[in-house]
Amino acid sequence: DADVTQTPRNRITKTGKRIMLECSQTKGHDRMYWYRQDPGLGLRLIYYSFDVKDINKGEISDGYSVSRQAQAKFSLSLESAIPNQTALYFCATSEGPSGAQETQYFGPGTRLLVL
Amino acid sequence: AQSVTQLGSHVSVSEGALVLLRCNYSSSVPPYLFWYVQYPNQGLQLLLKYTSAATLVKGINGFEAEFKKSETSFHLTKPSAHMSDAAEYFCAVRFSGGYNKLIFGAGTRLAVHP
Repeated sequence: DADVTQTPRNRITKTGKRIMLECSQTKGHDRMYWYRQDPGLGLRLIYYSFDVKDINKGEISDGYSVSRQAQAKFSLSLESAIPNQTALYFCATSEGPSGAQETQYFGPGTRLLVL
Repeated sequence: AQSVTQLGSHVSVSEGALVLLRCNYSSSVPPYLFWYVQYPNQGLQLLLKYTSAATLVKGINGFEAEFKKSETSFHLTKPSAHMSDAAEYFCAVRFSGGYNKLIFGAGTRLAVHP
């Protein structure tokens, strides 16, 4: 079984709808992250959480919110989806705190299309 | 500003040829460097990482990368390309200080043809 899972894998929604993307991990890691990937832009950090009570904004958090329900679960919500949120979304985890050499492990991604 | 640049959004090589994917960073302090690979319809998988222990880093699937401080580079190489190497490759950098933020390059898509 995969260590980091994301649901759904694909989602089509309409402008203005609220949607939630979910991430679960069995690695026992404290740290979790949400990224979005756009062609030609690489991955950009949306939110990150270093433990259940710690939530931090990344570089592109506007229009998104997150919830860390448990050590193993980290959800990303789009309160009112808009077309430019069409992207591939990745969840990642890391063990922490290992300093700057710490490795992040990625889920398979959720492909979101906002019409 | 601290940044990472991957030169060439698309690289095409013949099977058996040398693979060279370029990554440069901008920082006065040597960062920690990573290469990830993304196969079609999959998440990112760590290929290798530089953590200052050795400048030549060997990774999975025959890939290696060399950290060159004077050139602020961390290029990824493989002596002989396989068809299965076709994927997108991302260089990522973590700079000292601040929180545990990874900065990704834009990615290089590698095509391998017979």
